[in-house]
Amino acid sequence: EIVMTQSPATLSVSPGERATLSCRASQSVSSNLAWYQQKPGQAPRLLIYDASTRATDIPARFSGSGSGTEFTLTISSLQSEDFAVYYCQQSNNWPPLTFGGGTKVEIK
Amino acid sequence: QVQLVESGGGVVQPGRPLRLSCAASGFTFNTYAMHWVRQAPGKGLEWVALIWYDGSSVYYADSVKGRFTISRDNSKNMLYLQMNSLRAEDTAVYYCARDEKYYGSSGYLDWGQGTLVTVSS
Repeated sequence: EIVMTQSPATLSVSPGERATLSCRASQSVSSNLAWYQQKPGQAPRLLIYDASTRATDIPARFSGSGSGTEFTLTISSLQSEDFAVYYCQQSNNWPPLTFGGGTKVEIK
Repeated sequence: QVQLVESGGGVVQPGRPLRLSCAASGFTFNTYAMHWVRQAPGKGLEWVALIWYDGSSVYYADSVKGRFTISRDNSKNMLYLQMNSLRAEDTAVYYCARDEKYYGSSGYLDWGQGTLVTVSS
């Protein structure tokens, strides 16, 4: 089973600033990686798939990069609605699909 | 627009069964694989099970294998999760999710709103 590790666990950022979230896989997942956003009391929402492709209706301020074992989600200028928990997930070697533990982006 | 509405959650005693349902609409249900994913209170996401678009293949997480059964009724646009021998550690919000890939499985998911299952005596 591929283990996904996210860092940091919590990221404190001011509105308008840039946020950079990291995700590491225990072995290569090629570009088969997704990012999800989850707000309190809501279901996760797909943001990025194939490591760098934005899902439908996702704003351009969200971007993904990386391949192999190291991935990054960047939010270029944080808006109030972006404060949430973000999960990475690999779909290269599955089942099982595996998720990272999440990064909480909070207001500084 | 993809709509997935889960139902069937509630409080159940350890060892008892429970069946979750997911009503799908807004897409051609019989052309997409479907998943169940769960989230324990205050915790992260755990994939539970997958069923192929035509029901021909199913896969399970080791933590539920032999206790849970995923199934679907394409004539009714419904997905199910039969959960037997429930344990306290099965307490979670259970999400129904559609795979993004048409006639296949990419592992990328569109999610319902979830239903809470609490296993407690």
